[in-house]
Amino acid sequence: AQRVTQPEKLLSVFKGAPVELKCNYSYSGSPELFWYVQYSRQRLQLLLRHISRESIKGFTADLNKGETSFHLKKPFAQEEDSAMYYCALSFDRGSTLGRLYFGRGTQLTVWP
Amino acid sequence: GAVVSQHPSWVICKSGTSVKIECRSLDFQATTMFWYRQFPKQSLMLMATSNEGSKATYEQGVEKDKFLINHASLTLSTLTVTSAHPEDSSFYICSAAPTGILGQPQHFGDGTRLSIL
Repeated sequence: AQRVTQPEKLLSVFKGAPVELKCNYSYSGSPELFWYVQYSRQRLQLLLRHISRESIKGFTADLNKGETSFHLKKPFAQEEDSAMYYCALSFDRGSTLGRLYFGRGTQLTVWP
Repeated sequence: GAVVSQHPSWVICKSGTSVKIECRSLDFQATTMFWYRQFPKQSLMLMATSNEGSKATYEQGVEKDKFLINHASLTLSTLTVTSAHPEDSSFYICSAAPTGILGQPQHFGDGTRLSIL
């Protein structure tokens, strides 16, 4: 079953423009949501998680339980933000052993 | 920082052979590691949870006898693709989270590209 949906496969913006990468999930309980990023020729790495409520590299994401969404936002995109972004969900909340279920990913390109 | 190493990074072999992929946590211990599979231009799909000293837990639809997982130590998990066929060609990625530290995120390996001729 599709648990995490990222509707945009590709997203392009110009430098300095706001960017929003969409993520919706389907789960009736209390999942933990993550955004992972993969820069060109690098391994997948954690960008942020909803329980941390922090901003990383200017990115923020708010969990909206009513809309079951966890959209990733940045007010002013930079060229170095160009990467593949994956939204992921874990059902094993509060555990170090959490299985992750990924969305299909959104390739973000920031043009100069 | 925490590093997860996968070996080999790329393997090409004939149909019918078995291929072993190693996943090592280099500077931390991991009771649990995870194996993912990624098809071209698609997402990572969780295959199984590898548990140190016990049997792996497989996701629905993943063949246990095809994808053998062994987690013999706190720093090493192996995935063996048995009697591999062209449809097993894919990108396999492992991840691990430090044992006993709540809230630690998973760290991912670089992945192994498997091509079956």
